[in-house]
Amino acid sequence: QVQLVESGGGVVQPGRSLTLSCAASGFRFSKFAMHWVRQVPGKGLELVALISYDGSKKEYADSVKGRFTISRDNSKNTVYLQMNRLRAEDTAVYYCALGGPDWGQGTLVTVSS
Amino acid sequence: DIQMTQSPSSLSASVGDRVTITCQASQDIRNSLNWYQQKPGRAPKLLIYDASNLETGVPSRFSGSGSGTDFTFTISSLQPEDIATYYCQQYAHIFLTFGPGTRLDLK
Repeated sequence: QVQLVESGGGVVQPGRSLTLSCAASGFRFSKFAMHWVRQVPGKGLELVALISYDGSKKEYADSVKGRFTISRDNSKNTVYLQMNRLRAEDTAVYYCALGGPDWGQGTLVTVSS
Repeated sequence: DIQMTQSPSSLSASVGDRVTITCQASQDIRNSLNWYQQKPGRAPKLLIYDASNLETGVPSRFSGSGSGTDFTFTISSLQPEDIATYYCQQYAHIFLTFGPGTRLDLK
């Protein structure tokens, strides 16, 4: 079955960088677009970034454009989210999602001094 | 981007009640709509896809309807385990967008 396992979350100071990883298994990773969705504690769901199956197309929420970069390595079945110039408002649980029923368990990113 | 709205934002109901949540898209999304249930500390769980199709393993008391811009999600007889927040999500456009959520609790 589909498994998506995020890693890389933690506490980071404002202005610093952090990279999240999502290891995928149980499906033909190289055939599917992938998404990063975040949820500020107590708030709703927001798509942060998506990447096409081959990495040729990437789209970002306005709130992270120019600061976050999504990428993928189809040889490793892994999608990444590089987050630069982090702000307090980026504090959230970050989910890797295939779409539909398939989501990771989430990884918490806390931006605080 | 396609904007999604939901109402109500919160709802209190009793066990056995019929519960209805509505979702509206800012433009025609055909039937490209999911409904998710989320409990605290958990990832969203897909209940309904393509606006009206029940995901495998989801109880039949959950249902969805609608197309175009207006959608409805219904729990026919509320159970205690249904207490959660519910989100609609469109996938007609590549950039997925979610409704703001409806928080459901017990009266």
